[in-house]
Amino acid sequence: EPEVTQTPSHQVTQMGQEVILRCVPISNHLYFYWYRQILGQKVEFLVSFYNNEISEKSEIFDDQFSVERPDGSNFTLKIRSTKLEDSAMYFCASSRFEGQGTHEQYFGPGTRLTVT
Amino acid sequence: GDSVTQMEGPVTLSEEAFLTINCTYTATGYPSLFWYVQYPGEGLQLLLKATKADDKGSNKGFEATYRKETTSFHLEKGSVQVSDSAVYFCALRPSGAGSYQLTFGKGTKLSVIP
Repeated sequence: EPEVTQTPSHQVTQMGQEVILRCVPISNHLYFYWYRQILGQKVEFLVSFYNNEISEKSEIFDDQFSVERPDGSNFTLKIRSTKLEDSAMYFCASSRFEGQGTHEQYFGPGTRLTVT
Repeated sequence: GDSVTQMEGPVTLSEEAFLTINCTYTATGYPSLFWYVQYPGEGLQLLLKATKADDKGSNKGFEATYRKETTSFHLEKGSVQVSDSAVYFCALRPSGAGSYQLTFGKGTKLSVIP
């Protein structure tokens, strides 16, 4: 069964450093998403991406964040200058294009980012 | 804005017990509603969904009914197994066209003991 994969599973970085989190969505999916979950808190939407551009973004997704689909398979989240409060589990998800359908989202296992 | 509230965990049950995890939501119109499950070390998996009022989603013995009048989508299972131990998340997707972001509850950790 196809699945979303994410690398690395755990990333430790120092405050102020740039990090890139990588995701490989399911191959025939056209919508891609990033969510994050700070320990003990809700899973929060960051951004969605369709047709090579951002479709929606939340207030969390400020100028220090960016997303890219550098090739036909990868989808990346870059955090330009990490802060302590960026420590969280980051989930990638993807969905097929379904018009007005439910856009069922398939999630990856997550990348745990620890900023020290 | 949209929000989802689900019962606080953790919930500990004996095998074969009845499970209810409460979920209520705040949103305009008729959002789509979902339950996701996260097993240890894995990503979120869609457990079941409902897209309109009075719809019942079901999967693997779990059920949830979309109640517009009470803005609820409670998860139930008649007889839990040890393998059901996981974190369960209630979520909604807005009814507006072009908005596909999910809003999640905080999650409820379920532990089932033999």
